[in-house]
Amino acid sequence: DAGVIQSPRHEVTEMGQEVTLRCKPISGHNSLFWYRQTMMRGLELLIYFNNNVPIDDSGMPEDRFSAKMPNASFSTLKIQPSEPRDSAVYFCASSLNSGQGYNSPLHFGNGTRLTVT
Amino acid sequence: AQSVTQLDSQVPVFEEAPVELRCNYSSSVSVYLFWYVQYPNQGLQLLLKYLSGSTLVKGINGFEAEFNKSQTSFHLRKPSVHISDTAEYFCAVSGLQLSGYSTLTFGKGTMLLVSP
Repeated sequence: DAGVIQSPRHEVTEMGQEVTLRCKPISGHNSLFWYRQTMMRGLELLIYFNNNVPIDDSGMPEDRFSAKMPNASFSTLKIQPSEPRDSAVYFCASSLNSGQGYNSPLHFGNGTRLTVT
Repeated sequence: AQSVTQLDSQVPVFEEAPVELRCNYSSSVSVYLFWYVQYPNQGLQLLLKYLSGSTLVKGINGFEAEFNKSQTSFHLRKPSVHISDTAEYFCAVSGLQLSGYSTLTFGKGTMLLVSP
C-alpha cells in the first residue's frame, strides 16, 4: 500500500498564475477529501468526493478554486488565478465510505506546500 | 453542525513526564472521535479512534483517550512521553451531514513539545 500520493511536494508560483495540485488516493478507497492547512485557520475541508462525485464543495473559498475527480485513482485541485493568500499546505485524504454514514479513518498524503509570491 | 475545541495551542513537558491534551466537541448527532498526529513536513496519521463501546480507547505509541459523553470531551493521555512524541496533535469529530455522508472536522491542534 503506497498510501495517498500528492504532487508536487512544493510549489512556488507568482500571483496570477494557475496552480494544479494532484492526488492519487489509496486503491479501493471511494471517498476523497481536500483540506487546506494554515497557521491562522488550521485544517479546513475544501471539498469531498464520493465515488468520484463531488458531494460538498461549500468549503471552497472562491470561484478561483476548482476540483475534479475524473476517475477513482486521480483528483486535482486547481487555483486560477492564484493569490498570495492562497499560500498554505494542501492535503488530500482518502477513506472508505461504507454507505452507512461512517467513513473509515482518513489516510492523508504528505501535502503540497504552496507559496504564492 | 459539529465543532472541536482544543484548549491548548502548545503543551511543553519534560521527557518521561505524563501528558494530557484536551479536546472538547459539540455535535447534534452521534459522533465518532479521532486523534491524529502530525510530524513536521508530513501528513496526519491516525493515533486512535472512538466509534462505540468502551470509553477508554488505546492507540499507537502508548497513547490513550477517554470518551466522556456528559462532558463532551475526548482527552488524550500518555503516562510517560518521549522526545520523539514532539509533534502536533489534532482532535477530530466525524458526524453525518445533511448530504448523507460523514465528514471530519478538526480542532486547531495542540503542539506537544517534549524536552530532555
